[in-house]
Amino acid sequence: DAGVIQSPRHEVTEMGQEVTLRCKPISGHDYLFWYRQTMMRGLELLIYFNNNVPIDDSGMPEDRFSAKMPNASFSTLKIQPSEPRDSAVYFCASSSQAGVGYNEQFFGPGTRLTVL
Amino acid sequence: GDSVTQMEGPVTLSEEAFLTINCTYTATGYPSLFWYVQYPGEGLQLLLKATKADDKGSNKGFEATYRKETTSFHLEKGSVQVSDSAVYFCALSDQGGSYIPTFGRGTSLIVHP
Repeated sequence: DAGVIQSPRHEVTEMGQEVTLRCKPISGHDYLFWYRQTMMRGLELLIYFNNNVPIDDSGMPEDRFSAKMPNASFSTLKIQPSEPRDSAVYFCASSSQAGVGYNEQFFGPGTRLTVL
Repeated sequence: GDSVTQMEGPVTLSEEAFLTINCTYTATGYPSLFWYVQYPGEGLQLLLKATKADDKGSNKGFEATYRKETTSFHLEKGSVQVSDSAVYFCALSDQGGSYIPTFGRGTSLIVHP
């Protein structure tokens, strides 16, 4: 398996523009997570899905952020409009609940977002 | 709720020195414990895990023992290398809870030649 795939790897945009980050989880995994990592706040869980359904979006910072998972092999995180404080590395991760007590997460390489 | 506390970094060591990164946790159920590592420019990857009390996880010379009595899962390595320079995250997944992992803040390790 190719692992979790994210695109783009780097994104530079101007304030006010729409940004869409993409993720393909590992085939067969039924959980998908979106995280944001910054020096100030560390690793933050934004939202997670189970079987394509959003379960908890309490970590989404504000209404400018939205996430979808139209099918088991694809998810998007959208920021509209983007602001400089959204600059961060965004990670997608997937996992399987199969195997009680062993819920390893598999992370993608991340998307480094810079909003000017 | 569940929480993980790690020692603050950065931890700076010379090559071949002994490493300990402390991790303590709070959980309402029966957690599994993990150490993840993040190399520069990459995502996190699982380093080792332990699923019950007194289990020892090990990988690449790193070890951690699940200590229920002290609610700890300290990471150790006997002789670090420059290539071990990375950020290390302690995490738990509570089997009695939501199964969603809780991560610590991460500890940066810098190893000098």
